[in-house]
Amino acid sequence: EAGVTQSPRYAVLQEGQAVSFWCDPISGHDTLYWYQQPRDQGPQLLVYFRDEAVIDNSQLPSDRFSAVRPKGTNSTLKIQSAKQGDTATYLCASSPDWGGYEQYFGPGTRLTVL
Amino acid sequence: GEQVEQLPSILRVQEGSSASINCTYENSASNYFPWYKQEPGENPKLIIDIRSNMERKQTQGLIVLLDKKAKRFSLHITDTQPGDSAMYFCAAGASGGNYKPTFGKGTSLVVHP
Repeated sequence: EAGVTQSPRYAVLQEGQAVSFWCDPISGHDTLYWYQQPRDQGPQLLVYFRDEAVIDNSQLPSDRFSAVRPKGTNSTLKIQSAKQGDTATYLCASSPDWGGYEQYFGPGTRLTVL
Repeated sequence: GEQVEQLPSILRVQEGSSASINCTYENSASNYFPWYKQEPGENPKLIIDIRSNMERKQTQGLIVLLDKKAKRFSLHITDTQPGDSAMYFCAAGASGGNYKPTFGKGTSLVVHP
């Protein structure tokens, strides 16, 4: 079974630039999560989807961040105007649809904003 | 929302000894408590979990204890090996269709040979 895949693996930006992260969850997993993990901290939930619907985006900085999952499979997280404080690893995770809570994490995208 | 506190932030042990990491949570509705191991540059990987209908779970040198009354759960690694050196994260969340776990800040475990 293929795991969660993410791209790119690394991104380096200047402040004010935009960047998009892409996630392909495990096939058949209906729930998809995006986390921000600052260095030496735990993952912090940004947004999560069930199929194509946003279930919770209360922690997503809506003025600059957006996330979509239009067909209920792949997902894109976008930062419109990056700030140095956005420097972190962005993790995508998916969960199966039969009621289990186990999350499978992708390798993450390490973002550095200069 | 849920708040999860994890201690210690750094834990150094000698090979062969035990290591214990403790977490507390606030939301009494939380009923699923996973533990993740994350090695440098890698993604978090689930190593063991416990649900609220259990007080203890053990697998392959790992023991998890849950005290619902105290809202506390802990991970115990027995007979530690250098390969156990990594970051460990606890998490807590409530089921009911909208599972969104809150993670602790992590414990850096260093096992000295």
